[in-house]
Amino acid sequence: NAGVTQTPKFQVLKTGQSMTLQCAQDMNHNSMYWYRQDPGMGLRLIYYSASEGTTDKGEVPNGYNVSRLNKREFSLRLESAAPSQTSVYFCASSVQGDHGYTFGSGTRLTVV
Amino acid sequence: KQEVTQIPAALSVPEGENLVLNCSFTDSAIYNLQWFRQDPGKGLTSLLLIQSSQREQTSGRLNASLDKSSGRSTLYIAASQPGDSATYLCAVGNTDKLIFGTGTRLQVFP
Repeated sequence: NAGVTQTPKFQVLKTGQSMTLQCAQDMNHNSMYWYRQDPGMGLRLIYYSASEGTTDKGEVPNGYNVSRLNKREFSLRLESAAPSQTSVYFCASSVQGDHGYTFGSGTRLTVV
Repeated sequence: KQEVTQIPAALSVPEGENLVLNCSFTDSAIYNLQWFRQDPGKGLTSLLLIQSSQREQTSGRLNASLDKSSGRSTLYIAASQPGDSATYLCAVGNTDKLIFGTGTRLQVFP
């Protein structure tokens, strides 16, 4: 049982480049989330998808887009990377928002 | 806006001590509260989930309590071990979101 799988695990981008972070869960969860973690700031919600076909902004959505491709997959895209987007990105899923969350192992992104 | 605070930010204790980590939140209208463990450079591991209707949950040496009316939760770790060294994160569930505190960094030395 893989749980929540994120790819890639590490990535270095140059300013202005684009990339997509992939996330997939195999637990038949309805809700999926993208968080970023920065030193001293804790985890902050970027975007979430309460169910297949819906997406909503979180606390820090600027500079990001998301796609809920199907029930299993939720991707995060950086269209034009900036150094301020250097962070560790975590994907999570939940049966519903009022249930416990399961997190992936994270993607460490550096923008130079 | 929900705010979650964890005190202390860091804690260093000798092996064998019983310890308490604190979490407070400003809005008592929560669905649940979840405690996570994070090892350096790693992801989050769920430790305990307390639903809003519950007062506490236990797993092995861990016990978490929830007092919604006062906006507080505590994580009690009994007989601490060096392997317990990690950052402990508290998160409250509101509608579709999970809101995190900044964590308590725990070091247990032999």
